[in-house]
Amino acid sequence: GAGVSQSPSNKVTEKGKDVELRCDPISGHTALYWYRQRLGQGLEFLIYFQGNSAPDKSGLPSDRFSAERTGESVSTLTIQRTQQEDSAVYLCASSLSGEILIQGYNEQFFGPGTRLTVL
Amino acid sequence: ELKVEQNPLFLSMQEGKNYTIYCNYSTTSDRLYWYRQDPGKSLESLFVLLSNGAVKQEGRLMASLDTKARLSTLHITAAVHDLSATYFCAVVPSGDKIIFGKGTRLHILP
Repeated sequence: GAGVSQSPSNKVTEKGKDVELRCDPISGHTALYWYRQRLGQGLEFLIYFQGNSAPDKSGLPSDRFSAERTGESVSTLTIQRTQQEDSAVYLCASSLSGEILIQGYNEQFFGPGTRLTVL
Repeated sequence: ELKVEQNPLFLSMQEGKNYTIYCNYSTTSDRLYWYRQDPGKSLESLFVLLSNGAVKQEGRLMASLDTKARLSTLHITAAVHDLSATYFCAVVPSGDKIIFGKGTRLHILP
C-alpha cells in the first residue's frame, strides 16, 4: 500500500516568506510526527499529533512554526517569516498509534521529506 | 536530561571487515529502534528491540539490547559497500515520545 507522502519534495524560498509543507500519512495511522533534520545532523522532534488529542508542540523551535492536522488525515507544517536557519529537511512520520503500550510497539513510517532552502 | 548517544558518529571501514556501532541512552525505555538513512532519502526501519537480551539479525546486521546497561549495539559482519548509510538508534522513554540519536555515518570502502 501507499506509504507516507510529503509535498513539495523541494522548496526554495526567500527569507521572510511563509512556507507550508504537507504530509499525507498512511491511511489508518492515528499518530503523526514532524521532525527537522539539518544537514549532517540527527532528527529534531517538532510536533506530534495523536488522534483528536491536543498535539504535543514541545519541539517547535519558535512561534513562527505551527502545524495542523484534520482528524487522522493530512497535516500541514507552516513556517512564517522564514529565516536561513530554517533550512533543513522536514520529515513526517506516522504510526498506528502514538500511545505507549506495554505490549507491542508502534513503528514509525517516514515520508521522503521536504528539503527547504531559505535564501 | 535524556540523552541518546551514538558512537562513533563517523566510521570509514573496508569491505569484508566487522564493526560495531554503539547506542547509549540515559533513561529507561520501553523499546529501542534502529533506522537506516541513505543519502538524500528518508529513514527505513531496521530493527525494533523490545526486551533485555533481545537480539535480531537481518543479513549482515545484528542488533542487540541490554536494558540494564542502557546499551544497544548494531554489529556489521563482513561489510559490503551497499551498507554505506547513516544509522540511527532511537528510544522511547516510558510515557514519552521517541528520541533519536545523532546518527552514525558509515562509509564502506571497496
